[in-house]
Order: sequence, then C-alpha cells, then structure tokens
Amino acid sequence: ELKVEQNPLFLSMQEGKNYTIYCNYSTTSDRLYWYRQDPGKSLESLFVLLSNGAVKQEGRLMASLDTKARLSTLHITAAVHDLSATYFCAHLTYGGSQGNLIFGKGTKLSVKP
Amino acid sequence: DSGVTQTPKHLITATGQRVTLRCSPRSGDLSVYWYQQSLDQGLQFLIQYYNGEERAKGNILERFSAQQFPDLHSELNLSSLELGDSALYFCASSGHSSGLSYNEQFFGPGTRLTVL
Repeated sequence: ELKVEQNPLFLSMQEGKNYTIYCNYSTTSDRLYWYRQDPGKSLESLFVLLSNGAVKQEGRLMASLDTKARLSTLHITAAVHDLSATYFCAHLTYGGSQGNLIFGKGTKLSVKP
Repeated sequence: DSGVTQTPKHLITATGQRVTLRCSPRSGDLSVYWYQQSLDQGLQFLIQYYNGEERAKGNILERFSAQQFPDLHSELNLSSLELGDSALYFCASSGHSSGLSYNEQFFGPGTRLTVL
C-alpha cells in the first residue's frame, strides 16, 4: 500500500524559532511535492523535489529529499506568523500512465508571537 | 492564481440528489485530476483524465463519475448523494509528456459541497 506519513501533525511554534516537518513515503519514486493550504483555501505549490539530494529554498522554508531513506524534510527558519497554515507533502505515484499524488495527512502549523 | 478554474464555489444540496462539478485546466495542460478533501479522510485522489481518456482511478465511489471533454474541461458527477459526501472537491491540472505526469499539479480553488 502506498503511504505518505507526516509528522508532526500539529505544530505550535513561537516566532523566531526553527523547526522541521518530516515526510516519509513508501515507494521508490523520486518525486516529492510540498504544498501549503490556508484554511478553506486551495493548495499552493511550494516545492518540487525531483532527485536524491535535492534541496530547495524559498524565504524561510527549505525542503530536501533523501530518496534512499524515502524521507523529505521541510525546515522552517525563524518562523513568522504568516507561515501559519497546513503543509502537505505529496508523493507522485507513476507507473504506466498513472501520475496521481498521494498526500500525507498534513502538518497544521501555528506560529505565535 | 493557479490558472485552474472550478465552478461552482459552493454547492448545498440534499441527500439522494445529483450534482455536477466543473473544472477548466490551465491553458495547455492535458491532464486533469480530481481530489476529495474531508476531515476524516484527508486529501484523496479520485480520478485522472488525460486528453479525454481516463488514465487512473483512485478511491472513487461507483456513485461518482467523471469525464473530460474535447476542449479539455472536466466534469465530476456525484449521484445519490449521502451526508458523508460533504467535502471540498479539488481539480488539478498538469502538463504532460508522453502521457506521464512528470510535472507538478496545480490546484483549482475547489468546490465546497454540503449535503444536508
């Protein structure tokens, strides 16, 4: 069974602190995606990680991919309130003509002053 | 704005009814995906179409069906609705090469379905 497991599921942080969200997946596909969702809104694409060792950074967020460990991380540096949202990692399944995303349960991040 | 449009934004209906959700992909994208987001099930893949043909099926109920038209817009039909079908339904689109989904998926704003 294809699985994507995120932890933690809930994260309450103080502004200025650092933290990491972990995403484990169960297959050998090398494509991993991170999305952000604000309450009641759509999913916004943050990062696309395509190969082992890939690292991408945007502002206070940095994502990395270790395909051997089947692990991706989303690191938050010096958190600010605007980062409060739910973050999903998603793993692309493909084989033949399939290409759908399997999502983790999401990490609800709350950044407090 | 992802470039993917969905209508309607909100839909309130009664149990047993049938509804149609509509999605227009980003210009140039051939593939459309439908996802359901609910509190208890999370985000689940329902079905994928590529250039008018069904390509993959996920956890889609038999009461649900979809199609993609020649102009590439897609419709998701939900029938014999139950209370548990209340959810956010997202459409996503992606560009393709040889029919495989190598590119990231861009999500529409979603349709919030409430079944009373």
